[in-house]
Amino acid sequence: EAGVAQSPRYKIIEKRQSVAFWCNPISGHATLYWYQQILGQGPKLLIQFQNNGVVDDSQLPKDRFSAERLKGVDSTLKIQPAKLEDSAVYLCASRGQGLGNYGYTFGSGTRLTVV
Amino acid sequence: GQQLNQSPQSMFIQEGEDVSMNCTSSSIFNTWLWYKQDPGEGPVLLIALYKAGELTSNGRLTAQFGITRKDSFLNISASIPSDVGIYFCAGQPGNQFYFGTGTSLTVIP
Repeated sequence: EAGVAQSPRYKIIEKRQSVAFWCNPISGHATLYWYQQILGQGPKLLIQFQNNGVVDDSQLPKDRFSAERLKGVDSTLKIQPAKLEDSAVYLCASRGQGLGNYGYTFGSGTRLTVV
Repeated sequence: GQQLNQSPQSMFIQEGEDVSMNCTSSSIFNTWLWYKQDPGEGPVLLIALYKAGELTSNGRLTAQFGITRKDSFLNISASIPSDVGIYFCAGQPGNQFYFGTGTSLTVIP
């Protein structure tokens, strides 16, 4: 089973620029998550999708962050404009259905540095 | 959001020693997960716990879902160099998981 694919692995941008991250979940996984992990902290949920619908985006800074999963498969997360405090690793995770599938499978993440 | 307190924050141990770490919350959780994260990688699921009192093993790793449902414990026996990494607990009180701040483990050969 292929894992969760994310790209790019690294991105360096200047503040006020825009950036987009891409995620392709495990085939058949209906639930997709975007997490932000600041250095030295645990992952923090930004948004959760079920198929192509948003389940929870309560912690997404909607003035600058947006995410979509148009066809219920891959997803993009965008930041516009970026701030210095957005420097973090952005992790995508997916989860399958059914009993026992409580654990997420994470991708390797995109490390964003805003200078 | 929910606060999960993990302790210790970091550990330095000799190869072969046993390791214990724990995670506590202010709320009751329905599920506890333990993850390990290597540098530059995403967290990898180690153990999932679904009910209070449950004790589950995965090789040298053993985790327990606390009776109060507000805590969980992870033990690693006979540590080896590849156990190095950051261990995160994650708890689910409702629809989403909240992650702890992590325990950084260093194993000295």
